[in-house]
Amino acid sequence: DQQVKQNSPSLSVQEGRISILNCDYTNSMFDYFLWYKKYPAEGPTFLISISSIKDKNEDGRFTVFLNKSAKHLSLHIVPSQPGDSAVYFCAARGSGTYKYIFGTGTRLKVLA
Amino acid sequence: SAVISQKPSRDICQRGTSLTIQCQVDSQVTMMFWYRQQPGQSLTLIATANQGSEATYESGFVIDKFPISRPNLTFSTLTVSNMSPEDSSIYLCSVGGTNQPQHFGDGTRLSIL
Repeated sequence: DQQVKQNSPSLSVQEGRISILNCDYTNSMFDYFLWYKKYPAEGPTFLISISSIKDKNEDGRFTVFLNKSAKHLSLHIVPSQPGDSAVYFCAARGSGTYKYIFGTGTRLKVLA
Repeated sequence: SAVISQKPSRDICQRGTSLTIQCQVDSQVTMMFWYRQQPGQSLTLIATANQGSEATYESGFVIDKFPISRPNLTFSTLTVSNMSPEDSSIYLCSVGGTNQPQHFGDGTRLSIL
């Protein structure tokens, strides 16, 4: 049973436009969510996180939105740049635990 | 964040053999984690390695297949034993605390012939 799902395996966006990556989860006990970016031949790099007590967290061009009632989070990248082309993973963690559950990833391609 | 070095970065092995992957961190950390990413799949936690205690394995992973050592607060090894083609994956170590994001090494790309 996949508790964290990224239903879009790939996404293409024009440079300068907004990229929206989506993630759904099933476990209502998750209280901390993260996004990672992964380039080929490198490990995942932490990008941004959000606690379940918030519905939005912003860091520069990256904003994560959390909709607890829908069990949905999204990552917005504005404006998108060619260097943002990578695989993006969302991850979720239960309260008081250190164990993260990862989605299968979305490959973002930003076209110049 | 901590700098995490993994060795080897990649390897091609014969079935039935074993490979030990090393993970070195540039600072002392309590918790280290080992993940597997099979082709086209998400990252799956294999086990948690705390210094001075036995590793804690997730469902579906056993010590005989994936023995782990954690001799000090900056180093851990994962051995993939008696390898078969199904073990072809990327193996990643990470560090992090209960209320912190985990940070990953660059991974070991393992192919079994």
